[in-house]
Amino acid sequence: EVQLVESGGGLVQPGRSLKLSCAASGFTFSNYYMAWVRQAPKKGLEWVATISTSGSRTYYPDSVKGRFTISRDNAKSSLYLQMNSLKSEDTATYYCARHRDSYAHSWFAYWGQGTLVTVSS
Amino acid sequence: DIQMTQSPASLSASLGETVTIECRASEDIYSNLAWYQQKPGNSPQLLIYDANSLADGVPSRFSGSGSGTQYSLKINSLQSEDVASYFCQQYNNYWTFGGGTKLELK
Repeated sequence: EVQLVESGGGLVQPGRSLKLSCAASGFTFSNYYMAWVRQAPKKGLEWVATISTSGSRTYYPDSVKGRFTISRDNAKSSLYLQMNSLKSEDTATYYCARHRDSYAHSWFAYWGQGTLVTVSS
Repeated sequence: DIQMTQSPASLSASLGETVTIECRASEDIYSNLAWYQQKPGNSPQLLIYDANSLADGVPSRFSGSGSGTQYSLKINSLQSEDVASYFCQQYNNYWTFGGGTKLELK
């Protein structure tokens, strides 16, 4: 059974940093593209970052480019999101998601339960 | 960037009714479209991929259709467990979600 368990969320002041983690199990982690997707309170979904199987390629929307960094450790079956220079508009539940396979242009087949990040002074 | 416009934003329907949700892309996305269901308090779950392929375990009352820039999700014979928010997503060029449709029972 595919499982994705996020951790690392919490309350953080504007301008500070936070690192999220996602522990994956139930599949061969190194074979899949992985992503982060966020959802502001009572709002829709926003793709935040995607990383290739080896970690050599990363993709970001303009809203987080230069501030967020996605990374992975295939030996630990773990995904990370380093978030710097946080803003109030980054307040959201952050979901770890697995792409369909090793192909970039694919949907998100599995999602974790999410971790809440609140940016506030 | 590809924009996804989803309609309606909210919808109220009766049990047993057929419901349709629309999604329009700002450019041709060549059927690279998925639909997700998010029940209150839960994470999103995949319903449909490649515009019309049903994900594993999804009831057959759900169906997807469309091509080019216009896509739709249809729910036949609405059940109480279908109360949820629904999101479309394009994956032709990076990844973009529609604004969502909140489906409630009348």
